[in-house]
Amino acid sequence: AQTVTQSQPEMSVQEAETVTLSCTYDTSESNYYLFWYKQPPSRQMILVIRQEAYKQQNATENRFSVNFQKAAKSFSLKISDSQLGDTAMYFCASVITQGGSEKLVFGKGTKLTVNP
Amino acid sequence: NAGVTQTPKFQVLKTGQSMTLQCAQDMNHEYMSWYRQDPGMGLRLIHYSVGAGITDQGEVPNGYNVSRSTTEDFPLRLLSAAPSQTSVYFCARNRTGPAYEQYFGPGTRLTVT
Repeated sequence: AQTVTQSQPEMSVQEAETVTLSCTYDTSESNYYLFWYKQPPSRQMILVIRQEAYKQQNATENRFSVNFQKAAKSFSLKISDSQLGDTAMYFCASVITQGGSEKLVFGKGTKLTVNP
Repeated sequence: NAGVTQTPKFQVLKTGQSMTLQCAQDMNHEYMSWYRQDPGMGLRLIHYSVGAGITDQGEVPNGYNVSRSTTEDFPLRLLSAAPSQTSVYFCARNRTGPAYEQYFGPGTRLTVT
């Protein structure tokens, strides 16, 4: 089965510091898509970043960047200059192909707390 | 709400009762999906639809039915509620499918007693 694994259930970081959230995935596809979604206490799911596997360059969005290691099937999220508003659950997700259809599969999440 | 409306926001059901969770979008997007979120489990796909009249099962479809008679609406029906269906339910939309950004609704918290 194609899976997404987040090995850090909880993490904390001091405001203004950098933190990295880990994610590994399992796929047999040659091209695929990976995502990081953020869920703050409001419960709203928000896309943080998207990576297409065939692109060698790591995706970045302002203070958020990924370290995409295709051979290792690793997709970690780096948050620079952490802010209090970054406190949230972070979910790694991958598109899988099952029964000829594409589906989005999520990891179990990492709860990030940014401390003042 | 990312152009996705879910009603109700909260619901308490007794075991065996049925109900429908409503989901509506105003962006004319073809792809819509339902997820459930349980503590420590992330989000899991229940059902999805690639357009009006077309639906398919996700990871955890048992106990749920869907239909898609219009592009705008994608209701999720619980036929006979069970305590195991206590969860937060999210509906999502996007133009083409899961390879692109999903826009999620605010969620419905369902408790089955």
